[in-house]
Amino acid sequence: DTEVTQTPKHLVMGMTNKKSLKCEQHMGHRAMYWYKQKAKKPPELMFVYSYEKLSINESVPSRFSPECPNSSLLNLHLHALQPEDSALYLCASSQASSRRGEAFFGQGTRLTVV
Amino acid sequence: AQTVTQSQPEMSVQEAETVTLSCTYDTSENNYYLFWYKQPPSRQMILVIRQEAYKQQNATENRFSVNFQKAAKSFSLKISDSQLGDTAMYFCAFMKHVRGGSTSGSRLTFGEGTQLTVNP
Repeated sequence: DTEVTQTPKHLVMGMTNKKSLKCEQHMGHRAMYWYKQKAKKPPELMFVYSYEKLSINESVPSRFSPECPNSSLLNLHLHALQPEDSALYLCASSQASSRRGEAFFGQGTRLTVV
Repeated sequence: AQTVTQSQPEMSVQEAETVTLSCTYDTSENNYYLFWYKQPPSRQMILVIRQEAYKQQNATENRFSVNFQKAAKSFSLKISDSQLGDTAMYFCAFMKHVRGGSTSGSRLTFGEGTQLTVNP
């Protein structure tokens, strides 16, 4: 099973709403990632979790709050977002060691902030 | 910091023909990995091929192969016998593994992408 599953696939939220994006993998990977991708642009790294601990935060605004409840799940909690936060949010996972560290991506959540 | 450059924003090829996508990168690291990912309209990023920098032999995966020139910091992708399903955005990516303390994890740096269209 080389699948990373993200829910929901699409999300529309108002600027005062609170919502969460979910990501799940069952490949035994101990590193999980959130990326943000704007249209016709490459993904940009937001957060890295390694062994369920936040290891990299790329200076992401606090209105994005990641959470890693266990080794298979990764959440991204959203609160008070701005229209410019509308984008495709991609989750990925990989082995935490340096060998075979390629990342496997989910299909993403298309987020629209109105 | 690493940079990845893809100089071809768009390319097109006829079905069954061969096409080469170019990628250059800049790094002071000696141990790293390079990847090509494709992203079709379905949005999912799919790994096409990987290359470890310490390996001199070029990676191949069926119709996909790379020309890895470490000294020149070049990593091109050749697609043979192009198929309609190869139509996608292709991203070249550099990976450095960060180890130690609270900052472990892999950091992928992507190029700007090349939109490849395979025409019937």
